Amino acid sequence: RKEVEQDPGPFNVPEGATVAFNCTYSNSASQSFFWYRQDCRKEPKLLMSVYSSGNEDGRFTAQLNRASQYISLLIRDSKLSDSATYLCVVFSGGYNKLIFGAGTRLAVHP
Amino acid sequence: DTGVSQDPRHKITKRGQNVTFRCDPISEHNRLYWYRQTLGQGPEFLTYFQNEAQLEKSRLLSDRFSAERPKGSFSTLEIQRTEQGDSAMYLCASSLQGQGSYEQYFGPGTRLTVT
Repeated sequence: RKEVEQDPGPFNVPEGATVAFNCTYSNSASQSFFWYRQDCRKEPKLLMSVYSSGNEDGRFTAQLNRASQYISLLIRDSKLSDSATYLCVVFSGGYNKLIFGAGTRLAVHP
Repeated sequence: DTGVSQDPRHKITKRGQNVTFRCDPISEHNRLYWYRQTLGQGPEFLTYFQNEAQLEKSRLLSDRFSAERPKGSFSTLEIQRTEQGDSAMYLCASSLQGQGSYEQYFGPGTRLTVT
């Protein structure tokens, strides 16, 4: 079993749609959680950290459920520029490294 | 530009040759990480440094791979006797440890093609 699992997609949605991505992680000792965005052939860029209380940044909302070891990302009012791969990422303090999921592809069309 | 930089951006080499990549982290960051990413996968951890000390190496890092960060600033990753399976994007990231934040910031990567 992979340490971080995501639905690879692709998710094809029209502009303006709301889309949600889910992710599960296996290490209950994981300390910090993130969503990164990666455009084709570019480096991953930090989108947002994920907190237990949930957090929002504009059109993006992230949630963490430690009991279920589950992380989500909600994108409202999708834009064409949101088309990218979204990487669910877990920081494991015991290993001092980020552990990435394989990513979920999002394609927003007009 | 004060972000993470990597050089070269692209490298094509023949099997059996040695290659070396360089990473310059964000200047005040004390931790530097190397990752490898292949098509359709997320980045996989290779190794990391805190200042000049290499504190952890992945099992992915065979004895053909070596990394250094001699003065606690830039780092180099060398691959000896390259194999076709080494073809990948090599990403460097840096972070500032010690403030309760584990966010890492990535450079643009070096894309290696072994022919």
